[in-house]
Amino acid sequence: EDKVVQSPLSLVVHEGDTVTLNCSYEVTNFRSLLWYKQEKKAPTFLFMLTSSGIEKKSGRLSSILDKKELFSILNITATQTGDSAVYLCAVISSGSTRQLTFGSGTQLTVLP
Amino acid sequence: DSGVTQTPKHLITATGQRVTLRCSPRSGDLSVYWYQQSLDQGLQFLIQYYNGEERAKGNILERFSAQQFPDLHSELNLSSLELGDSALYFCASSVSPSATLNYGYTFGSGTRLTVV
Repeated sequence: EDKVVQSPLSLVVHEGDTVTLNCSYEVTNFRSLLWYKQEKKAPTFLFMLTSSGIEKKSGRLSSILDKKELFSILNITATQTGDSAVYLCAVISSGSTRQLTFGSGTQLTVLP
Repeated sequence: DSGVTQTPKHLITATGQRVTLRCSPRSGDLSVYWYQQSLDQGLQFLIQYYNGEERAKGNILERFSAQQFPDLHSELNLSSLELGDSALYFCASSVSPSATLNYGYTFGSGTRLTVV
């Protein structure tokens, strides 16, 4: 059974801090890892990572995948209160069904 | 607006009852996925339909069933409801398996079900 573990479960920081969120996985026939941001409603897509060692960046957010050690990290620099959300990591395995296996998420709270 | 429409947004019902949640996928998407998000379980995959046919099953209870209609909208039926079924139910849709960016995965806003 595919398994995704995120840490920490919860994180409280002040604006301007840098945070690192962790995601480790055990997946049969790993294909890709996705990061989502969830603010009370639907998860919104951040990154998809397929190749090891290649950093994806979008503004203050960046993510990298290590397929040898089976983990990914999501970095947020110069955090803002608007970054407060649950960050979800999900993996997808090869095959035609393509359902996502999610971790339990990291609750990030950014204080002013 | 993500293009994936879920109704109703909120639902409160008593134990033992039956409810139907509805999802209209994004235009052009053939696949529909149902997920359940509860406080203690996180987001769990329930079931997937592709072009009207069941494609994959996850942790879906026997009391739950789903279908996808010819117009591609999908319904998730939950029966003999228990307190533990209270959760946020998300529908997601995606394009054909040939899509690569984000797998074309788009989530709806969810239906919050409260069983009292």
